Amino acid sequence: QKEVEQNSGPLSVPEGAIASLNCTYSDRGSQSFFWYRQYSGKSPELIMSIYSNGDKEDGRFTAQLNKASQYVSLLIRDSQPSDSATYLCAGTGNTPLVFGKGTRLSVIA
Amino acid sequence: GAVVSQHPSRVICKSGTSVKIECRSLDFQATTMFWYRQFPKQSLMLMATSNEGSKATYEQGVEKDKFLINHASLTLSTLTVTSAHPEDSSFYICSAQGNGSSIYEQYFGPGTRLTVT
Repeated sequence: QKEVEQNSGPLSVPEGAIASLNCTYSDRGSQSFFWYRQYSGKSPELIMSIYSNGDKEDGRFTAQLNKASQYVSLLIRDSQPSDSATYLCAGTGNTPLVFGKGTRLSVIA
Repeated sequence: GAVVSQHPSRVICKSGTSVKIECRSLDFQATTMFWYRQFPKQSLMLMATSNEGSKATYEQGVEKDKFLINHASLTLSTLTVTSAHPEDSSFYICSAQGNGSSIYEQYFGPGTRLTVT
């Protein structure tokens, strides 16, 4: 069964710090990976996608992919209270996205 | 780009009635649309996958006769919850795929909160 595992948290970081969110996946055939942010009571919002090994940066966000270790991560630099949300990791080969259960991030002002 | 709308955003209905939820991709053609359900403080649960013009593929445990999905065009999919019961009360979210650098990128609608009394 294809699975995506995340630590449920909550992960608490002080404002201005780096938040590090991690995800592992079981399907070696997965090629595309995504990070979604979901605020309480709202639907998920796509914030990053990554397809190749290495790092991909977009503003304060950096996604990292290591296919050999089956590991995906998201770094949020200069964390803000508005970053407080649940972050969902998702991956796929050629099937519907498989979502992790999400990591709840709390940025403390 | 990649905007997905859902209507209604919130609906309250009586037990035994049916409710239809619409999902539209506003600025792109969606090759595939997905329907999810999410209970409070729980993770997303995929209910079904639909492609335009073909029957939806339902996940195990989801009753296809209760949750009717119609994917009438490349921009519109509907979910009808038939004979709704209080246990069907949940947050229903659609997503659409077909735009972006990867064909696998999914963009979510804002969701529909269904309350069955």
